Amino acid sequence: DAKTTQPNSMESNEEEPVHLPCNHSTISGTDYIHWYRQLPSQGPEYVIHGLTSNVNNRMASLAIAEDRKSSTLILHRATLRDAAVYYCILSSYSGNTPLVFGKGTRLSVIA
Amino acid sequence: DTAVSQTPKYLVTQMGNDKSIKCEQNLGHDTMYWYKQDSKKFLKIMFSYNNKELIINETVPNRFSPKSPDKAHLNLHINSLELGDSAVYFCASSQERRAFFGQGTRLTVV
Repeated sequence: DAKTTQPNSMESNEEEPVHLPCNHSTISGTDYIHWYRQLPSQGPEYVIHGLTSNVNNRMASLAIAEDRKSSTLILHRATLRDAAVYYCILSSYSGNTPLVFGKGTRLSVIA
Repeated sequence: DTAVSQTPKYLVTQMGNDKSIKCEQNLGHDTMYWYKQDSKKFLKIMFSYNNKELIINETVPNRFSPKSPDKAHLNLHINSLELGDSAVYFCASSQERRAFFGQGTRLTVV
């Protein structure tokens, strides 16, 4: 799987938008961009994924650059519960391919 | 209903013992995994099973033996536990580009 690069940590004020960047310059045409997050003392949980177009769901939005070499996870209004480690993962995901986790970005939310 | 459940949540045991961690998913997924998260918080894939068949074994010591009695269960048995086995072990299942993880089992070897 291609490598991703994320900042080690970010900080946000509560109720403000958060933009979490991810660089993946070696992405292949079949790689999907996945975001997972891990809240303290919990297992990772799915946030969002996309291939080429921007995606929205109830948790977040995913903005994908036109050349697909970078993407941004957008939390529209950070809450204290959003404090977690956020992982950006590339996977061609045939269905049997496990996700390969990097170090992720530790997001702190300040009240 | 919990989608992926692991038991026990905590496990403290002495070096040299043999222990098992159980995992069950009620999502009807064909693929299940075991991950290990060490003290530095790196999540590493250990095993991947598809429909009860081992697909991936990521250079895990053979003291670790996964067993899948049916496609809803993937248990992890560990023989001769060592101090370095202390970690949080996560079970997961996946289908259609989305993975679901259990809450983890914190194993402490003393």
